Amino acid sequence: DAKTTQPPSMDCAEGRAANLPCNHSTISGNEYVYWYRQIHSQGPQYIIHGLKNNETNEMASLIITEDRKSSTLILPHATLRDTAVYYCIAFFGGYQKVTFGTGTKLQVIP
Amino acid sequence: NAGVTQTPKFRVLKTGQSMTLLCAQDMNHEYMYWYRQDPGMGLRLIHYSVGEGTTAKGEVPDGYNVSRLKKQNFLLGLESAAPSQTSVYFCASSLRQGADEQYFGPGTRLTVT
Repeated sequence: DAKTTQPPSMDCAEGRAANLPCNHSTISGNEYVYWYRQIHSQGPQYIIHGLKNNETNEMASLIITEDRKSSTLILPHATLRDTAVYYCIAFFGGYQKVTFGTGTKLQVIP
Repeated sequence: NAGVTQTPKFRVLKTGQSMTLLCAQDMNHEYMYWYRQDPGMGLRLIHYSVGEGTTAKGEVPDGYNVSRLKKQNFLLGLESAAPSQTSVYFCASSLRQGADEQYFGPGTRLTVT
């Protein structure tokens, strides 16, 4: 599984878009990029995933660069409830395991 | 659906005691996982299972054993607890092999004194 690198922390004003970057320069062609978040001490929650194309769902958008070496998770209108640790993971599902790093702690500021 | 549930929510053990953490899922998922989370360390995979009756080691398996006798349950055992096993334990499950999201339980906070 490819190693991912994320900034340890970020701030975002409430109502603005939060753009969380992730570097996965060693990603292989069959590895997906997944994003999860963990609010306070709850269990992690799935947000979105993608392989090559940009993806959007009701929670967020995922932008993957053409060379697939980095991606950005976009929360279009951040709210205080989006304050959490966000994990970017790259893996090939056939290994059935996911390695979580330390993620990015996003603080949404009123 | 209850999703993924974990029992107990909190537990305090003395060094050398044993205990079993229970994870149950009602989504008919094939794959189940046990993670531990320590401050500043993110989540680390302890053991996982790709189906009933099968288990495999993850990143940090030492000191733990697991069993998957029923598809819906995944048990994590500590035979002789050590203070280094003080942590928050999360169970997760996923439906399929391949690109599929994991659903996590609420966690068990274990303290070993």
